[in-house]
Amino acid sequence: GIQVEQSPPDLILQEGANSTLRCNFSDSVNNLQWFHQNPWGQLINLFYIPSGTKQNGRLSATTVATERYSLLYISSSQTTDSGVYFCAVERSGGYQKVTFGIGTKLQVIP
Amino acid sequence: ETGVTQTPRHLVMGMTNKKSLKCEQHLGHNAMYWYKQSAKKPLELMFVYNFKEQTENNSVPSRFSPECPNSSHLFLHLHTLQPEDSALYLCASSIADTQYFGPGTRLTVL
Repeated sequence: GIQVEQSPPDLILQEGANSTLRCNFSDSVNNLQWFHQNPWGQLINLFYIPSGTKQNGRLSATTVATERYSLLYISSSQTTDSGVYFCAVERSGGYQKVTFGIGTKLQVIP
Repeated sequence: ETGVTQTPRHLVMGMTNKKSLKCEQHLGHNAMYWYKQSAKKPLELMFVYNFKEQTENNSVPSRFSPECPNSSHLFLHLHTLQPEDSALYLCASSIADTQYFGPGTRLTVL
């Protein structure tokens, strides 16, 4: 099956700092999403981005499908950004065989 | 709040018990999913239902039994579980490209 690797596994940031999270995948994909899981376990979708660039406030994401990677940018980080960020991909459309990465655990300290 | 609710939020059960997890969404989504999240492991897709029909079963042991009586409700029936089944069980729903997750049920098997 498709492999999804996320880096770094852990990240500690001072509040206000910027960061880049990376997701590499081993095959072409039709779906790619970024999720944030807060410390209480709630997963929230951030972006649906199989290709191109999107921005939402302090967050933006870029997927370069031909090179099989996606980046999530967090600017001016806040303590509420803490949690785990997951990349999830699916090859054939829909979510019938979605594969998640193991995530990047982010801690933003005041 | 994503519009997907799960009950109970926490569950402790013995290996001989029978219990059920419930998921509900009134978002008009046509697909619903069960995931298992264990520590230090990627989210694992367990079951997928499209329009109440099961379309995916990722080699899940028979001690987990899903039920989808209608497109708004999804159950996961549990019986004779093992301690290694302790995990966070997440329900999700989707329409088109984006998945929405419930808050999860934290299951502990003694």
